[in-house]
Amino acid sequence: GDSVTQMEGPVTLSEEAFLTINCTYTATGYPSLFWYVQYPGEGLQLLLKATKADDKGSNKGFEATYRKETTSFHLEKGSVQVSDSAVYFCALSDRAGGTSYGKLTFGQGTILTVHP
Amino acid sequence: EAGVAQSPRYKIIEKRQSVAFWCNPISGHATLYWYQQILGQGPKLLIQFQNNGVVDDSQLPKDRFSAERLKGVDSTLKIQPAKLEDSAVYLCASSSTSGSLPNEQFFGPGTRLTVL
Repeated sequence: GDSVTQMEGPVTLSEEAFLTINCTYTATGYPSLFWYVQYPGEGLQLLLKATKADDKGSNKGFEATYRKETTSFHLEKGSVQVSDSAVYFCALSDRAGGTSYGKLTFGQGTILTVHP
Repeated sequence: EAGVAQSPRYKIIEKRQSVAFWCNPISGHATLYWYQQILGQGPKLLIQFQNNGVVDDSQLPKDRFSAERLKGVDSTLKIQPAKLEDSAVYLCASSSTSGSLPNEQFFGPGTRLTVL
């Protein structure tokens, strides 16, 4: 079945440091890929997405590129801020029809803490 | 536009008791999902509805969990009887569909269940 693996956490950085959170996936067909963020005390929010190979999703300074050859979707940000402290989830969605249509399969999440 | 609403936000029960959660999706969204998020893990899909029909309930523990979506709008998720391992956050999400591509899922704030 489909699965998503995220890098071990938690991640602790100083403000303005470079961020990479690794994400790899296993899926049949051509999934869509997502990064969701969960800020303290809030619900899950979509951060960015990519729906086909070589697409780059970007939002709020975060970027991730859909790499089909390495089955990866790593999240990057050039300069993190204290306000980026949150839990980040990589996820995939089966684009094919059938019973799994639209279902999200999540990684285990990575806790990011940014210090001033 | 109003988001996905869930209630209650918190619930504490004794094991073997029953509990029910309610979800009101975004208006016009045909697809509704219930996820279970155990502490330290990513959300796991329990059940997916398309209008008032079940699309995927393969990971729903049907001996104790049930869900319904009457009239294709609101949904309730019930646990009877609850076990200690059911302690988790229960997330509801909804999405619209466009052709064969799944649209973004919008998540509610979740219901945090503690089973003692």
